[in-house]
Amino acid sequence: NAGVTQTPKFQVLKTGQSMTLQCAQDMNHEYMSWYRQDPGMGLRLIHYSVGAGITDQGEVPNGYNVSRSTTEDFPLRLLSAAPSQTSVYFCASSYFVGQPQHFGDGTRLSIL
Amino acid sequence: KNEVEQSPQNLTAQEGEFITINCSYSVGISALHWLQQHPGGGIVSLFMLSSGKKKHGRLIATINIQEKHSSLHITASHPRDSAVYICALRNYNTDKLIFGTGTRLQVFP
Repeated sequence: NAGVTQTPKFQVLKTGQSMTLQCAQDMNHEYMSWYRQDPGMGLRLIHYSVGAGITDQGEVPNGYNVSRSTTEDFPLRLLSAAPSQTSVYFCASSYFVGQPQHFGDGTRLSIL
Repeated sequence: KNEVEQSPQNLTAQEGEFITINCSYSVGISALHWLQQHPGGGIVSLFMLSSGKKKHGRLIATINIQEKHSSLHITASHPRDSAVYICALRNYNTDKLIFGTGTRLQVFP
């Protein structure tokens, strides 16, 4: 039982490049979410999903896309990376919204 | 004014001390979470509270809904408790989680 697995752990991109952060969970959780963590700020919700085929925007969705084709996977896509997207990204999941979440180990992303 | 505020921002303690971390909020909530972020970055959920008090090992979390305040206590602190402790609220109206900026705790032997 691996929990929530995020890849990669580290990534450096150039401005304008695109990439996908992967997130997978093996706990059959319906609710999955992506957060970014910036210095001096609390975690902020980017996008979330309450089940396969259903996604919605969080607090800071601009510049990011998500999809949820299976219960297990919830990838986060950066369409055209900008330096303001330099951050640590966390994926989290729970059985349902409102329940304690299981977090991945994070992806540290730097955009030059 | 931030919807959730934690205090102190930083805390140092000697091993064995009793630790208290505070979380105050200004919105209606359906639940409050305490999380621990290890120095390596991993985040673990410790408690989810909607009233009263919960205890797990040396950790105790309390909430006072009327005063809009929660505390996380660590008894007999140990260097392995060194981490950032984060308070998060589930907003009653929007159902969204709002995270505090965290309290960085260092416990020295």
